[in-house]
Amino acid sequence: QKEVEQNSGPLSVPEGAIASLNCTYSDRGSQSFFWYRQYSGKSPELIMFIYSNGDKEDGRFTAQLNKASQYVSLLIRDSQPSDSATYLCAVNKNAGNMLTFGGGTRLMVKP
Amino acid sequence: KAGVTQTPRYLIKTRGQQVTLSCSPISGHRSVSWYQQTPGQGLQFLFEYFSETQRNKGNFPGRFSGRQFSNSRSEMNVSTLELGDSALYLCASSLRWPSGNEQYFGPGTRLTVT
Repeated sequence: QKEVEQNSGPLSVPEGAIASLNCTYSDRGSQSFFWYRQYSGKSPELIMFIYSNGDKEDGRFTAQLNKASQYVSLLIRDSQPSDSATYLCAVNKNAGNMLTFGGGTRLMVKP
Repeated sequence: KAGVTQTPRYLIKTRGQQVTLSCSPISGHRSVSWYQQTPGQGLQFLFEYFSETQRNKGNFPGRFSGRQFSNSRSEMNVSTLELGDSALYLCASSLRWPSGNEQYFGPGTRLTVT
């Protein structure tokens, strides 16, 4: 079992819809959770982070964390074609700043 | 505020050679981490530095090494290059250490080993 798992996709949604990206992790000691967006040929860009159970909203993005279920998700409302990218889930297990990444989910937003 | 910078952006090396990559963190950030990204293995942690000391190391052979200078700039070195070392090498900086701080990535160095 991988430490951080994501569905590789592609996840295809129409423009204006809500995209839901999911991530599960295996280490219950994990403390901090991050979502990165990576366009093809570019480096990862931090878009959300969450430390506590519940929801955290920032603009069109909402991160959701459920530590009991070891599950973190990212919702993108009013999806735009420019949101088409690979979304990487990353987990910090309270060992310095070291991040363990999932394999990423490729999102395609169709006009 | 300028972001994380990495040099060089592209490198082509031959098997058996060594290479040094450089990273300058965001101004004021004191922690630097290095990651390797390949299509097969994804993003994998190499090591992290804070206050010129290596704080964590990933599961990579000893050919991979690094260091951090007093101005927080960091370098990583790969000796005796192998074909499998071809990858995008990413540096990320954080304001603080230890755990849980947001990390911001630089543009990466694309290394090709022939």
